[in-house]
Amino acid sequence: GQQLNQSPQSMFIQEGEDVSMNCTSSSIFNTWLWYKQDPGEGPVLLIALYKAGELTSNGRLTAQFGITRKDSFLNISASIPSDVGIYFCAGESSLYGQNFVFGPGTRLSVLP
Amino acid sequence: SAVISQKPSRDICQRGTSLTIQCQVDSQVTMMFWYRQQPGQSLTLIATANQGSEATYESGFVIDKFPISRPNLTFSTLTVSNMSPEDSSIYLCSLTTMRYTEAFFGQGTRLTVV
Repeated sequence: GQQLNQSPQSMFIQEGEDVSMNCTSSSIFNTWLWYKQDPGEGPVLLIALYKAGELTSNGRLTAQFGITRKDSFLNISASIPSDVGIYFCAGESSLYGQNFVFGPGTRLSVLP
Repeated sequence: SAVISQKPSRDICQRGTSLTIQCQVDSQVTMMFWYRQQPGQSLTLIATANQGSEATYESGFVIDKFPISRPNLTFSTLTVSNMSPEDSSIYLCSLTTMRYTEAFFGQGTRLTVV
């Protein structure tokens, strides 16, 4: 079954708006990663988080590692058309062996 | 991050045939993985490619269907055997850092089986 849940599943926003999406689990994770995937490409790592409460930025992107270690969120500020894509969260936990499990993704569309 | 080169980038294959996908990285890495991404879906781990030994497969994936080779620390192949239309997916090569702090992906191979 799916170990990670992402919401929303998809979203349509106007260019310039801020975006927020999150990733939740019933299990504790040690690492959270956020990826963006463009059509026909592999996922590209955006932000990595390693400690509960950690807040990390990468340009207009900000992500946080939840205090409970069971969730993470990603914010995009002042969205632009090239932000369109699918955003995946991934987590690493000893429960799932030494590899990353991926959420189902949030599909973002930006309207001009 | 390491540079990961995957080929072919896409292919259309006849059912019953096999396709071998190659993954080359530009530095020696310990952990390499193969993922499948079915249309509109997330990434599912197929197996861990172990250097010099048999790959470790996840539940639902078997060696006869997805044989994997890893002759050295910079190269791996995944074969999709006896293909059917249900095998139409994107197949992705991945590597992780030593402490599993980050994972990086190749550009993927988009496979269509007709």
